[in-house]
Amino acid sequence: DGGITQSPKYLFRKEGQNVTLSCEQNLNHDAMYWYRQDPGQGLRLIYYSQIVNDFQKGDIAEGYSVSREKKESFPLTVTSAQKNPTAFYLCASSGQFGPYGYTFGSGTRLTVV
Amino acid sequence: DQQVKQNSPSLSVQEGRISILNCDYTNSMFDYFLWYKKYPAEGPTFLISISSIKDKNEDGRFTVFLNKSAKHLSLHIVPSQPGDSAVYFCAASPSGAGSYQLTFGKGTKLSVIP
Repeated sequence: DGGITQSPKYLFRKEGQNVTLSCEQNLNHDAMYWYRQDPGQGLRLIYYSQIVNDFQKGDIAEGYSVSREKKESFPLTVTSAQKNPTAFYLCASSGQFGPYGYTFGSGTRLTVV
Repeated sequence: DQQVKQNSPSLSVQEGRISILNCDYTNSMFDYFLWYKKYPAEGPTFLISISSIKDKNEDGRFTVFLNKSAKHLSLHIVPSQPGDSAVYFCAASPSGAGSYQLTFGKGTKLSVIP
């Protein structure tokens, strides 16, 4: 079954620690994206990558970093510089843009304790 | 500057009645529009889309209407069912092919009351 896998589902982090969220897709999609969802804020774009070894900042990239060493993988690191990291994080991918837009993963809930 | 706006954060509808979710956009370059449905703690799933060459697209209980001159689209759900209770996101893209980026609205939380 093709799809996007995000892991873990729930993640707890101590203040001051970096943490990496995993996102893997087997859809052979070129583009991958990270979004953050907060209550009442909708989906806000953190980073996106249209091709391996290249990525672009989205609207709220401060305090985050990404890498795209493989087509299938787009991990997101939440650094200690991110002031309000507690949120629901969504990864998505897309091929040549089609009628379905993006395919989303099931999300990771990050809580800073 | 919000390019895709969903001005109603929430909507409550009785089961069996029609639900109408609205979306406005400001970027005249947008010509492809999608609706996604999202349950809590899950990723959004694609619901229905419409190209700017059409003014209506139907899929079962779901119909999307597009008014290009008003830069407005709406999603109609008839009849509404309790399982439709979710957050609905409107999204737009500047082209139907070759464009990688969607712009999302903030979402409307639909509650269907049994």
